[in-house]
Parts: sequence; structure tokens; C-alpha cells
Amino acid sequence: AQTVTQSQPEMSVQEAETVTLSCTYDTSENNYYLFWYKQPPSRQMILVIRQEAYKQQNATENRFSVNFQKAAKSFSLKISDSQLGDTAMYFCAFMKHGSNAGNMLTFGGGTRLMVKP
Amino acid sequence: ETGVTQTPRHLVMGMTNKKSLKCEQHLGHNAMYWYKQSAKKPLELMFVYNFKEQTENNSVPSRFSPECPNSSHLFLHLHTLQPEDSALYLCASSQRGLEDEQFFGPGTRLTVL
Repeated sequence: AQTVTQSQPEMSVQEAETVTLSCTYDTSENNYYLFWYKQPPSRQMILVIRQEAYKQQNATENRFSVNFQKAAKSFSLKISDSQLGDTAMYFCAFMKHGSNAGNMLTFGGGTRLMVKP
Repeated sequence: ETGVTQTPRHLVMGMTNKKSLKCEQHLGHNAMYWYKQSAKKPLELMFVYNFKEQTENNSVPSRFSPECPNSSHLFLHLHTLQPEDSALYLCASSQRGLEDEQFFGPGTRLTVL
């Protein structure tokens, strides 16, 4: 079974600054996918960024980037130039590759990020 | 409407009531999911449906009964719930087989009295 751990229950950052959210996971799989999801106060969860484990290059999406360390089983999210709209719960999630039962996600406990003006 | 919709958005029920949660996806996906989000706990996967077939039941009590009449609709039938079942219930959909992202609905906030 996989486990995902987010060690920072809450974080805050000043607007326009950079913040890094931590995520570690435990798995015996070699091929898998990692995701960061954002859940704003309105509650609709949306995908922020994804990383395929077989790719060494870290994924980036505009102001969002990850630091994927496969050997260390670490997958942190960096948010640059933080904006007030980035205030949300952030969930790290793991998906095993090639699951016959569907795309099942294992989530971490979440980090509540507050961006301060 | 686009995306994944859920109704009702809020539900309060007694332990002896029977109610149903509804989820509809307008994305042409063929996999749908129910998750439970409780305070201070990670999201818990409850059920997975692929092409209307249930492929995963994550040890969910029988007082929760899912139904997937077609690939666009998913229901969660509730009966004789307990107060500890109070939570946000999230529905999601994806395109099975592509390890693609899951698209989530806004959730139903359930309170069991």
C-alpha cells in the first residue's frame, strides 16, 4: 500500500513571495504518477501540476513547479510570486501506473496555505 | 453545464433517514469515484466505477450504497448513518486507462444528527 505524508498542516506566505510545500511518499512501485491538487475555500478541487515518475525533469506550470526526488521519495511544490488567489488547501497525491481498477489516488493530509497581502 | 456537478450541496439528515447524493459529469469520462473528506483526515476513496462497473469498494460500510446507472451519473444512497459519517463527500471523474487527472465536483456537505 502507498502512503503520502504532508508534514506541514499550515503555512503562510506574503504576497509576491515564494513558498514551498513538502510531500513525501512511500511505495514499492517504480512507475507511478504524482499530483498536487488545490482546494480553494469554495471546495472544488483542481489539479495544479502532475509528474510522471519516469521523467527526471521536474514539471512546471507557470508559477508552480515541483522538486521531484525519486530516490528520496520526495515531491515538493514551489509557488513563486504568490497571489491572494493561491490561498487554499493543497493536497499531494499518488497514483500507481497501470492500475486495472481505475485511476485510484492516494492523498496526503493536506497543507493549508494562506497568502497574506 | 460543464465539469462535474453534485447535488445537493448541503444535506442534514437524521440517523433514521434515507437520502441520496447525486453526481453528474459532462466530460465524457468513463470512470467515476466517491471520496469522503473528513476534518483532519486525508481524503478517503470509497468507491470506483469503470464503465458503470464497480471495481473498488474500499471497505465502506453497507449503510453507503453506490449506484452507477450510466457513465455520466453516480449516486450514493445513504441509510441509517452515524454522526461520524458527517463529512464532505466528493465525486470525481476521469478517463480510465490514461492515468489522467481526476476532475472533482464541489462536494456535498453532509451532517448527520
